[in-house]
Formats: sequence, C-alpha cells, structure tokens
Amino acid sequence: GIQVEQSPPDLILQEGANSTLRCNFSDSVNNLQWFHQNPWGQLINLFYIPSGTKQNGRLSATTVATERYSLLYISSSQTTDSGVYFCAVGSGGSNYKLTFGKGTLLTVNP
Amino acid sequence: GAVVSQHPSRVICKSGTSVKIECRSLDFQATTMFWYRQFPKQSLMLMATSNEGSKATYEQGVEKDKFLINHASLTLSTLTVTSAHPEDSSFYICSARDGGANTEAFFGQGTRLTVV
Repeated sequence: GIQVEQSPPDLILQEGANSTLRCNFSDSVNNLQWFHQNPWGQLINLFYIPSGTKQNGRLSATTVATERYSLLYISSSQTTDSGVYFCAVGSGGSNYKLTFGKGTLLTVNP
Repeated sequence: GAVVSQHPSRVICKSGTSVKIECRSLDFQATTMFWYRQFPKQSLMLMATSNEGSKATYEQGVEKDKFLINHASLTLSTLTVTSAHPEDSSFYICSARDGGANTEAFFGQGTRLTVV
C-alpha cells in the first residue's frame, strides 16, 4: 500500500515563530488532507488539498502531486497551535480510504 | 463542513463484556464510513470500511468477529467490540464523506475505550 512519511516527527517553537511541516507519499493520490488533533483527540480538518495551494488565516498548504509531497506552513505560531499534525492520503480503489502518516508533534512555548 | 457525531466519547467496561460505539452523519448521508483505531502517541490505523446495506471490509489483521460493524442506514454505523479485553483499550474514531470518493473526509470526536 501507499506509504506516508511526515517530518519532522517533533518540533518545538517559541510563540511567534514560523514552521513548515512536510508530508511525502509513495504513489499518486486522489485525496490529501491535513489535520490537527487536539488534546481531546478530535481531528480538526485543516485542508483538503490533493493539489495546488490553499490558505486559511495563519495556515497555508501546498501539494505538488507530481513530486509526491505536501507542505503545511504555520506562521506566527501560537500556543494553541500545539498538538499533533497529521497528513492523510487516499489513492485508488472505490472507497478512497485514508492512510495516515505518523504525525508531527508541535509544541509552541510562550 | 459536514458533521460526524460519535457516541459515547468515553466508556469503561469490564473484561468479557461487549461495547457498542455509534457513528452518525448528522447533515448528510454516507454510504461508506470508516473505523480507525489509535494507540497512545501513535497514528490512526484503519480497521474497516463500513458499507451501507452490505458487509464491512476489514483490514488485514483485524478480527471481524471481535469488531462487529453494522451500517444499517445511510446515517448510522456501529462498531461493537465483543468480549472486550484490556488489550482492546484504545481510541476509536469513525469517519465519513459527504460526497464521492474524491471529497473531504470528516471525523467523529472519537471514543476512548478502557477495559478493566
């Protein structure tokens, strides 16, 4: 099956700093999403972005499908940005189930 | 975005008993739902694909007789953990899409199961 690798696995920032999270995948995809998992376990949808670039406030994402990677940018980070960020991809098949990366644990210190 | 509701959010049960977890799509119909499992500090692993009106499709290594899935309507899928054991303690999360395969997936709040 498709492989999803996220980097870095852990990231510690000071409040106000910017960061870039990366997601590499091993095959062509029809679906790519970024999530933030909050301390209670809820997955918050950040972006649905199988290709192209999107922005939402301080967050933006870019997927270069031909080169099999996606980037999540967080600018002016805040302590509330802390948590685990997951990239998940879907490819092939009729149900397009999502395969998750192992996540990036982001800690933003005040 | 679409809303997926999961219940209960937390459950504690005794070894040997069964627990049912519900996953509902509140404002859309979902012919397909997905059940994931997450161990502490790990990623989400797909357990099974729930198909309305037909049998679920289980991932390799997932015991279908232990994790019973029923998708009786277009808005409800249930996961029953049968004869639960402490090793079944985990975080279970369901997911659904409000459109076709190439659309955004939304997740329930998750259910934290503790078997004592």
